[in-house]
Amino acid sequence: EAGVAQSPRYKIIEKRQSVAFWCNPISGHATLYWYQQILGQGPKLLIQFQNNGVVDDSQLPKDRFSAERLKGVDSTLKIQPAKLEDSAVYLCASSLVTGPTYEQYFGPGTRLTVT
Amino acid sequence: GENVEQHPSTLSVQEGDSAVIKCTYSDSASNYFPWYKQELGKRPQLIIDIRSNVGEKKDQRIAVTLNKTAKHFSLHITETQPEDSAVYFCAASQENAGNMLTFGGGTRLMVKP
Repeated sequence: EAGVAQSPRYKIIEKRQSVAFWCNPISGHATLYWYQQILGQGPKLLIQFQNNGVVDDSQLPKDRFSAERLKGVDSTLKIQPAKLEDSAVYLCASSLVTGPTYEQYFGPGTRLTVT
Repeated sequence: GENVEQHPSTLSVQEGDSAVIKCTYSDSASNYFPWYKQELGKRPQLIIDIRSNVGEKKDQRIAVTLNKTAKHFSLHITETQPEDSAVYFCAASQENAGNMLTFGGGTRLMVKP
């Protein structure tokens, strides 16, 4: 089966600019996650969707980050305006159903550099 | 919330030796503990997981042990090979509480041929 797709793979922007990332999960996977992975650290969950509804967004900096999954398939994550500390790899993952014992499949990530 | 600490941050071993990575967690309600391997520039991939109803699980050269009382779990890799070189992440979560994994900081394992 095809894996989780993400684009772009790399993005360089200046601080205060806006950026958007796109994710296409594995077909049939109801749950979608966005993680932020700062260099040298483990992934940190930003938001979790079940179909097109938000399950958890407690760690999403809502003053600048937003995410949507309008039709319950693809998802976009937006940062507006970006700060230097947003430099990280943004990983999208999906799983068949919600529940920690269902494996999360990760995409290749988008490496964001904010200058 | 849950906090997961992972040690060591880097580990260098000779090919054929064993490697052990340890993690501690803070939330006694956590009951699912996966381990992910992330090769340089690649995505994290699940290599093994353990649930709190068992104390040990093995899959060929890798094994994971869990001590619920002490709230720590470990990854053991035997007969290490150069292709085992990667960053390994432990994680913890609560079953039936969403799939919110809290990851440790990672261990960079280097296997020297």
